[in-house]
Amino acid sequence: GAGVSQSPRYKVAKRGQDVALRCDPISGHVSLFWYQQALGQGPEFLTYFQNEAQLDKSGLPSDRFFAERPEGSVSTLKIQRTQQEDSAVYLCASSRTTYEQYFGPGTRLTVT
Amino acid sequence: SQQGEEDPQALSIQEGENATMNCSYKTSINNLQWYRQNSGRGLVHLILIRSNEREKHSGRLRVTLDTSKKSSSLLITASRAADTASYFCATDAVILTGGGNKLTFGTGTQLKVEL
Repeated sequence: GAGVSQSPRYKVAKRGQDVALRCDPISGHVSLFWYQQALGQGPEFLTYFQNEAQLDKSGLPSDRFFAERPEGSVSTLKIQRTQQEDSAVYLCASSRTTYEQYFGPGTRLTVT
Repeated sequence: SQQGEEDPQALSIQEGENATMNCSYKTSINNLQWYRQNSGRGLVHLILIRSNEREKHSGRLRVTLDTSKKSSSLLITASRAADTASYFCATDAVILTGGGNKLTFGTGTQLKVEL
C-alpha cells in the first residue's frame, strides 16, 4: 500500500516568506508526528496529533511554527516569516500502533 | 535536543564484513529502536527492542541493549553495498498523551559499504 507522502519534496524560500508543508499519512493511522532534521543530525520531535487533536507541540521551536490536521488525516506544517535557521528537512511520520512510526521522504526547506 | 550519540560517527567497511555501531542514551527508556536513512529518503524502521530485553535478531541484524549502561549496539552481518546509509537509534522515554511515543533520536552513524 501507499506509504507516507510529503509535498513539496524541496522548497526554497526567501527569508521572511511563509511556507506550508503537507503530509499525507498512511490511511487509517491515527497518530501523526512532525520532526525537524538539521544537516548531519538526527530528527528532532516537533509535534504530535492523534486524529485531529494536537496533543503535544512541545518541540515547536517558536510561535512562527504551527501545525494542523483538521480532518484527522492530512496535516500541514506552516512556518511564518522563515529564518535561515529554519533550513532543515521536515519529516512526517504516522503510526497505527504505539511503537513503530512510518516516515515520509521529507521536505527539504532551504531559506535564503 | 538529542537523546544520545551514536559511535562511530562514520564507518567504512568492505562488502561481506560485519558492521557494528553503538548508541548511548541519557534517560530511562521504554523501548529502543533502530532506523536506517538512505540519502535523500525517509527513515525506515529496522528493529525495536524493549527495555526488558537484552538481545534481538532480525535477519542480518542483531541488536543488544544494556540498560545499566544506557547503551545499545546494532550489528549488521555480511554487509552489502545496499546497506550504505545512516543509522539512527531512537528512544521513547516519553509516552505522549493518547499513547503516542515521542521518539528521541541520536546523532547517527554513517555507514559506507564498499565493493
